[in-house]
Amino acid sequence: QKEVEQDPGPLSVPEGAIVSLNCTYSNSAFQYFMWYRQYSRKGPELLMYTYSSGNKEDGRFTAQVDKSSKYISLFIRDSQPSDSATYLCAMRLKAAGNKLTFGGGTRVLVKP
Amino acid sequence: GAVVSQHPSWVICKSGTSVKIECRSLDFQATTMFWYRQFPKQSLMLMATSNEGSKATYEQGVEKDKFLINHASLTLSTLTVTSAHPEDSSFYICSATRGAGGSYEQYFGPGTRLTVT
Repeated sequence: QKEVEQDPGPLSVPEGAIVSLNCTYSNSAFQYFMWYRQYSRKGPELLMYTYSSGNKEDGRFTAQVDKSSKYISLFIRDSQPSDSATYLCAMRLKAAGNKLTFGGGTRVLVKP
Repeated sequence: GAVVSQHPSWVICKSGTSVKIECRSLDFQATTMFWYRQFPKQSLMLMATSNEGSKATYEQGVEKDKFLINHASLTLSTLTVTSAHPEDSSFYICSATRGAGGSYEQYFGPGTRLTVT
């Protein structure tokens, strides 16, 4: 079993819809949670970072963490075709020295 | 911002030759750099962690004699794929962090696509 599980998709939504992404993890020691966006043949770009259970909002993006269920989510409101990309969740231990463990990524396609 | 560059962006080499990939932090000093490998439609797999002035720490299953990592300065790390074979063809991505411990953000480079023929 992988430490971090993420549905690979693809997830296809119409423009303007809400995109809902999630990851589950098995290691309860993970303390920091991140979401990255990766366009094809490019490096990942950090979208959201959280470290406590609850919601964090930044523009059209909302990150949600439920440590008791070992479940994290990313919501994208008012999705645009430019949001079409692969979204990777990542997490790390408190004492891991910045070493990240990534989910497999979910490919998202926003259709105009 | 924090910009990380990689060079080259794409390289084709013949089987048995060695290839060097550079990772540079352009506007900050990177105490730690990471090297990842990514196969098509798969996630990033950490290969090694590199701290300036010290030997790299390799992940389990990564051959340190095949993937040579050098982090000679606070702005440059290199990955050399020695005696490359077609199965080494992949997308190699580096990332860098400003500081150790609490600094969470890894800034990623644009990646280098290696094709071994």
